[in-house]
Amino acid sequence: QVQLVESGGGVVQPGGSLRLTCAASGFNLNDYGMHWVRQAPGKGLEWVSFIQIEELATLYADSVRGRFTVSRDKSKNTVYLQMDSLKSEDTAKYFCAKEGYCGDGSCPLHLWGEGVLVTVSS
Amino acid sequence: EIVMTQSPATLSVSPGERATLSCRASQSVSTNLAWYQQKPGQAPRLLIYGASTRAPGIPARFSASGSGTDFTLTISSLQSEDFAVYYCHQYKKWPPWTFGQGTKVEIK
Repeated sequence: QVQLVESGGGVVQPGGSLRLTCAASGFNLNDYGMHWVRQAPGKGLEWVSFIQIEELATLYADSVRGRFTVSRDKSKNTVYLQMDSLKSEDTAKYFCAKEGYCGDGSCPLHLWGEGVLVTVSS
Repeated sequence: EIVMTQSPATLSVSPGERATLSCRASQSVSTNLAWYQQKPGQAPRLLIYGASTRAPGIPARFSASGSGTDFTLTISSLQSEDFAVYYCHQYKKWPPWTFGQGTKVEIK
């Protein structure tokens, strides 16, 4: 079954760190660009980070650049989001998503995981 | 950054009726526009990509059109399972990839 499963969420104090994991099954995640998108409680979708195939590029939203790091582990068919110096405004459900149906080198988000909740609170 | 603006914020529709949702980009995104459906507690689901192509498994009652800056998603005859929040998403110019704020389709 083709799916993405996130893990690693939880409650953390401001200034703390968490590492989110996105594990793929049913396909080779390394063949696709992968995104992290978040959704604060009751709010809309906000793009967070992108990692290109072969880690040719990693990109970040201004709100997380310098604090978050995206990476891949090819052997584990997994993508990670290392989140440091967390702030209360990072509280959200975090989704990983796979690109697909690309055209002109740009792609929508074809497959999404169910998401994992991150709460930053003292 | 391309700003995506959806209207209306909430659309009240009776089952069986037609729903029309709009999305406007602050600059041209050509046809690099997707629509997603999100139900409470679930992940978004890709409905439409390339501004007008239904993703596999998406019912024919969902149709979409537009190019450049103005886009429309139409649900021809609303079913109970269609009541949800719908987001548009531009993937033409990045980073950042940007989403509209969503349109909630609720039962009238």
